[in-house]
Order: sequence, then structure tokens, then C-alpha cells
Amino acid sequence: EAGVAQSPRYKIIEKRQSVAFWCNPISGHATLYWYQQILGQGPKLLIQFQNNGVVDDSQLPKDRFSAERLKGVDSTLKIQPAKLEDSAVYLCASSPVETGGMVGHYGYTFGSGTRLTVV
Amino acid sequence: AQTVTQSQPEMSVQEAETVTLSCTYDTSENNYYLFWYKQPPSRQMILVIRQEAYKQQNATENRFSVNFQKAAKSFSLKISDSQLGDTAMYFCAFMILSTSGTYKYIFGTGTRLKVLA
Repeated sequence: EAGVAQSPRYKIIEKRQSVAFWCNPISGHATLYWYQQILGQGPKLLIQFQNNGVVDDSQLPKDRFSAERLKGVDSTLKIQPAKLEDSAVYLCASSPVETGGMVGHYGYTFGSGTRLTVV
Repeated sequence: AQTVTQSQPEMSVQEAETVTLSCTYDTSENNYYLFWYKQPPSRQMILVIRQEAYKQQNATENRFSVNFQKAAKSFSLKISDSQLGDTAMYFCAFMILSTSGTYKYIFGTGTRLKVLA
């Protein structure tokens, strides 16, 4: 099966500019996640979608970050305006269902991420 | 607080040798899942091995095995017969039921493993 697709692979912007990332999960996967991975750290969950609804956005900086998942398939994550501390890899992941046993058994499937550099 | 600690920022091992990566975690939950993920330069997180906390038997996947000590909250990864392709960042993580009623990962800060020819 095709994996989780993300684009672009790299992006360099100046602070205060806007940027958007795109993610296409594995076909049929109901749950989609966006993670932020700052250099030297583990991934941190930003937002989680179940179909096209948000189920957890507690760690999303909502003053500058937004995300949507129209039609419950692909998703976009936007930053506006960007700050220097937003420099990171943004990973998208998906899983088939959001129940503990199933998710615990399969884990998530991650994409290759977008490396954002804010200068 | 739910935390994962990987105390070895970097490690190296000779090809064909065995290496153990350590991981400790802290949670008040009794039911959870534990994972090791590998992240090569391609950046994609690849699942290496998983362990259900309610199982006492240690998980094994080919050259990869874990030493799960639930009372000590320890979950180390052993890589046998190390190969050059094992060079990557390795992240330990556990999955818990969050306050929002969904399941999510808590990741450690990673161990960079380099396999030497």
C-alpha cells in the first residue's frame, strides 16, 4: 500500500511569512496526526483528526497555527506568521482506527516530514 | 507527568556486534503500549518493535528484542548482529489514553546510533 505522502520536503521562509504543509494519509485511515519535531527532541503532537473532526489540539499554538482535514482525507497545516522557533520537521501520521487495542497493535504510519527553516 | 527518558544521546557499535539502547518512562497508567521507532536520515519514523504492558513476555522481531521491566518502568532495545542499515535515530515511546479520550504517543528525545564498518 502507498505510504503517508507529505509535501513539500523542504521549505525555507523568513520570519513573519506564512507557510502551508500538505499530507495525504494512507487510504482508509480514519485518524490523522500532525507532529512537530524540533532538532534534538522527540516528536510532539500538534493536532489529531478523527475523519474530518478535531479530537485533540491541546498543544497547537492556535494564535499562529491552523489545520484542516476537509472531507476526512488529506490535510493541511498552516503557520501564519512564522517565528524562528517554528523551525522543525513537521511529521504527518495516520492510523486505521482510534481505539486503544487497534492503535496499540499497529502504531501509526508516519510520512517523511517537511523540514521547515525560518530565517 | 508522563515522560520518557533516553539517557544515551549517542552510541556507536561495530558491525555484527550487539548494542542495547536504554529507555525509562514514568506513568501512573496500568495499561499502555510501548514502542521503539527508528528514524533514518530520510526522516520517516519506522516502527521497530512494540510491547503490550500487560504482557510479561518480552517482544522479539528478528534481530531486535526488548527487555521490559514493568516495575522498574524500563524498556530497553537490544539490536543483535548490527548492520550498517541500522544507523539511525531511535525513539522510545509509550501510548496512553489522553484526557481528551484519545490515544497518543509520548516520545523520548532519541538515541543516535551509528554502526561502524
